[in-house]
Parts: sequence; C-alpha cells; structure tokens
Amino acid sequence: NAGVMQNPRHLVRRRGQEARLRCSPMKGHSHVYWYRQLPEEGLKFMVYLQKENIIDESGMPKERFSAEFPKEGPSILRIQQVVRGDSAAYFCASSPRGGFPQETQYFGPGTRLLVL
Amino acid sequence: TQLLEQSPQFLSIQEGENLTVYCNSSSVFSSLQWYRQEPGEGPVLLVTVVTGGEVKKLKRLTFQFGDARKDSSLHITAAQPGDTGLYLCAGAASNTGKLIFGQGTTLQVKP
Repeated sequence: NAGVMQNPRHLVRRRGQEARLRCSPMKGHSHVYWYRQLPEEGLKFMVYLQKENIIDESGMPKERFSAEFPKEGPSILRIQQVVRGDSAAYFCASSPRGGFPQETQYFGPGTRLLVL
Repeated sequence: TQLLEQSPQFLSIQEGENLTVYCNSSSVFSSLQWYRQEPGEGPVLLVTVVTGGEVKKLKRLTFQFGDARKDSSLHITAAQPGDTGLYLCAGAASNTGKLIFGQGTTLQVKP
C-alpha cells in the first residue's frame, strides 16, 4: 500500500515564476492537509481540503497561494509569483477521515522549494 | 490562537544517557501526537495520546499526556545513536483536526 506521494521532491524557481506542488494521498484517503516548514522552524498548517472542497484555509497567505483537490487526480498547492521567502519544505498529509482530532495524519516526503 | 512550546530546542548527549523533551501549551488539545523527522523526509508518527494522564510506551520511549491535556513529555531511556533526529509534538485542533506543531527538538546522541 503506497504511502503519501509528493512531487517534485525538489523544485527550483526564479522570483516571479509559478510553483506547482502535487500530493497524491494514500489509497482510500479523501482528506488532505498542507503544511509548510520554514528553515529552523516547525511545521505550520496551511490548508485542509476534502475532494472538491476547501474546509479550512486559515493558514494560507492571503495572496499568491491557492490549493485544490479535484474529484480526480492529486491535490495541488499553487504559488504564483514566488518570492525568496517562499523557500521552504512543503508537506502534505492525508487521513481517511477528516475533522477528527484523534485521526492519524500520514505525511509525504515533502517538496523542497528553492526560490533564486 | 493555540500554541505549543517545545523544549529544549537542541540536545546533545552521550549514548546511554536519559533525556526528556517537553511540550507545553496554555490551550487544551483533543489529542497530542509525537513525530520523528529525518533529514529530507516527512514526519513519521510515533504515538498519539488522547486521554488526560495517559502514558504510552514504545520500547525505550515513554510518552505522557498531562492531566489537563495541555502538556506532554517524551522520555527516552538509555539513548542510542539511532535515536538521533528531529522530534516534533503536535496538538490536534478540535474543530478540523489540523495539527499545531511545536518548534521541534533536535536530538544528537553521540556514540
């Protein structure tokens, strides 16, 4: 049973370009969470999605960032017009059920974004 | 805003020593999870504690959830070099299940 998959594992962008990060949840999981880990910091929640719905985007920056989880295909975290401060590791996690505090979230290996 | 303070941030010890990592908050969490993260990888769940006062053991690791569900500790007995890594505590928000992470503890165990 494959775990959470993220690609690319490493992404280099120049300032002003767009970054697209993909997350395929574990089989049977329909809930996806995105987290960001800045250098020397812990993980920070960004957004929680179910299939075709954004449930909680309280951690998303107001501009340039968007996320989706379509009916078919992976979840996408999109960053437009990247800036150097966006350089970080982005992790997604999936769970079979969302909204339950005791529910285990399984993390992917992350995408390391470097903005030059 | 729910926050988790994790301490210490860095810990370097000799093989065979014991250590404790603390995770504290002024907020109540529905559950608290401990993860370990290797360089270049995502966090891997070690344990979830749910009930106030709960104690769970995983080989040489002992996890405790405070009675008021505001704090937790991780105790490692007779640390080994293989325990080296980043340890993260995370509290689950009651409404959506999103995780609030502590800053992490970087542990180095020298042979």
